[in-house]
Amino acid sequence: QQKVQQSPESLTVSEGAMASLNCTFSDGTSNNFRWYRQHSAKGLEVLVSIFSDGEKEEGRFTAHLNRANLHVSLHIREPQPSDSAVYLCAVSRNNYAQGLTFGLGTRVSVFP
Amino acid sequence: DMKVTQMPRYLIKRMGENVLLECGQDMSHETMYWYRQDPGLGLQLIYISYDVDSNSEGDIPKGYRVSRKKREHFSLILDSAKTNQTSVYFCASSAGTGAETLYFGSGTRLTVL
Repeated sequence: QQKVQQSPESLTVSEGAMASLNCTFSDGTSNNFRWYRQHSAKGLEVLVSIFSDGEKEEGRFTAHLNRANLHVSLHIREPQPSDSAVYLCAVSRNNYAQGLTFGLGTRVSVFP
Repeated sequence: DMKVTQMPRYLIKRMGENVLLECGQDMSHETMYWYRQDPGLGLQLIYISYDVDSNSEGDIPKGYRVSRKKREHFSLILDSAKTNQTSVYFCASSAGTGAETLYFGSGTRLTVL
């Protein structure tokens, strides 16, 4: 069964500094990766999707995928206090929802 | 504006009572999902529905059933709720079968006493 692990568990950054989050997965056939953000007591919103090795940028959010290393990361450029939330990595190993596994999340706190 | 709406937002029930959680989406998405989220366990898939009356068990279906009679509406039913079903329940929808982006509702926090 796919294991998706995120690190660190929590991260505190100053407004304007770069925030970097990590996600490792166990199934090398995984082909579909997304980063979601969850504000307290709210649902998840997708930030960036990536399907091939390399980099994908969506505004201030950049995902890096290295499938050989079983690793996908998220970098938040110039984080703002409104970016304070839990960030979840979601990895899919097939084209069906049953193959979708979420990590436990990284709690990011951005201070002015 | 694409939206997944869940009702109610908060619910308190006693053990043994029946629970109905409702979810609606306005995107005409074929696929809808019910997840529960617990500390230390993350999001776990309970049921998935590929269309009206086409439902499939997820990873933790025991103690739950679902109903989808209209494409835009998906219900989660707990017959005789148990205390270990206390959780936050999220509904989601997607245009396809799961490789696409999931759109989530705001969740229902269920407490079973």
